[in-house]
Amino acid sequence: QAVATQEPSLTVSPGGTITLTCASSTGGVTSGHYPYWFQQKPGQAPRTLIYDTNNRHSWTPARFSGSLLGGKAALTLSGAQPEDEGDYYCFLAYNGGRDWMFGGGTKLTVL
Amino acid sequence: QVHLVQSGAEVKKPGASVKVSCKASGYTFTGNYMHWVRQAPGQGLEWMGWINPNSGDTNSAQKFQGRVTMTRDTSISTAYMELTRLTSDDTAIYYCAREGLTNWGQGTQVTVSS
Repeated sequence: QAVATQEPSLTVSPGGTITLTCASSTGGVTSGHYPYWFQQKPGQAPRTLIYDTNNRHSWTPARFSGSLLGGKAALTLSGAQPEDEGDYYCFLAYNGGRDWMFGGGTKLTVL
Repeated sequence: QVHLVQSGAEVKKPGASVKVSCKASGYTFTGNYMHWVRQAPGQGLEWMGWINPNSGDTNSAQKFQGRVTMTRDTSISTAYMELTRLTSDDTAIYYCAREGLTNWGQGTQVTVSS
């Protein structure tokens, strides 16, 4: 079974830029994995930020962007705000979307 | 407006089963798959599987195969997830989420304790 790997924790300064990544144990992440990115804050359900690699929802702040970078899915936060602190999860599709896998999550601190 | 409303918290003994419901409104229930996701205390998100409400087809993560059953009742736009042979490791919040994971239920706390 595939495993999706994220950085366990990252810290960014207010106003700074940071990139979170998501790797797959089966090889490079491609658009065929339809990468998603979620943000979760304590006591809340996850909220989708990015779908299909680089598509934002209407509620996704423009400072978040998704891409493929060096064989991984990537979430870049440009101009970090204190409210961006939280846990971030990637979500990858396998076998043509039949199977799915969450990454282990990245705890992002804005400090 | 899309809403997914889940059933209330459950406390079960080891070895028992639990069935969580997820009532959908605000969209065509049979038009989108429904995913089930869980989150153990202090842990990450774990994908459990999906059901196609139109056909009833399902697929579950390898870890849960043989222990999870996903069903639906299209007459009341409700999806169900039943997990059997519960252990303390199954203590978690269980979520349903509409295909694309744009919309999530509020979560159902399942606690397994003797």
